Amino acid sequence: AQTVTQSQPEMSVQEAETVTLSCTYDTSENNYYLFWYKQPPSRQMILVIRQEAYKQQNATENRFSVNFQKAAKSFSLKISDSQLGDTAMYFCAFMKRNTGNQFYFGTGTSLTVIP
Amino acid sequence: EADIYQTPRYLVIGTGKKITLECSQTMGHDKMYWYQQDPGMELHLIHYSYGVNSTEKGDLSSESTVSRIRTEHFPLTLESARPSHTSQYLCASSGRLQGFYEKLFFGSGTQLSVL
Repeated sequence: AQTVTQSQPEMSVQEAETVTLSCTYDTSENNYYLFWYKQPPSRQMILVIRQEAYKQQNATENRFSVNFQKAAKSFSLKISDSQLGDTAMYFCAFMKRNTGNQFYFGTGTSLTVIP
Repeated sequence: EADIYQTPRYLVIGTGKKITLECSQTMGHDKMYWYQQDPGMELHLIHYSYGVNSTEKGDLSSESTVSRIRTEHFPLTLESARPSHTSQYLCASSGRLQGFYEKLFFGSGTQLSVL
């Protein structure tokens, strides 16, 4: 069975500072994707960044980057130069690539950016 | 910890068929949601419910319909499936507080392919 663990229920960061959100997962699969989604209060789910397991290079999207440690099954999200609009819930997700494309989500980290 | 279930995990059907995607949760959550995932991996909210007999359309227009007759059950129905409905459908529920937000729990998803 696959599990995704986000051990930080809540975090806060000063505006313009850097924060890292942790995520670990457990799987015996080799072919999978990892994602970070952001959910503002509107209930939308915004894709922040994704990583394909076979790629060793860490994904980067502007101020967002990941530290993907495949052997350790760790997938942390780093947010640089934090902005007030980054305040949201952040979900780590694992998708097993098979005929069903099954998803597994962590329980989320509530991030507050302090002015 | 996830007590939210989606069936089937994978469904392949022909055009014009009526289908129902099932979603059930055993956590007693009032709020439930359906998300549709586009090929870019973005999740779009298509339906939500804040309780029994309460359903609303989400941000993304969808030809599907939902019902909430019981707290634990939030099925999604397509009266006449078309190839454009091919997508991943994710169900979620929320009810426990985590900081300013409610913790969101996701099902594993249903991968729908309409031929």
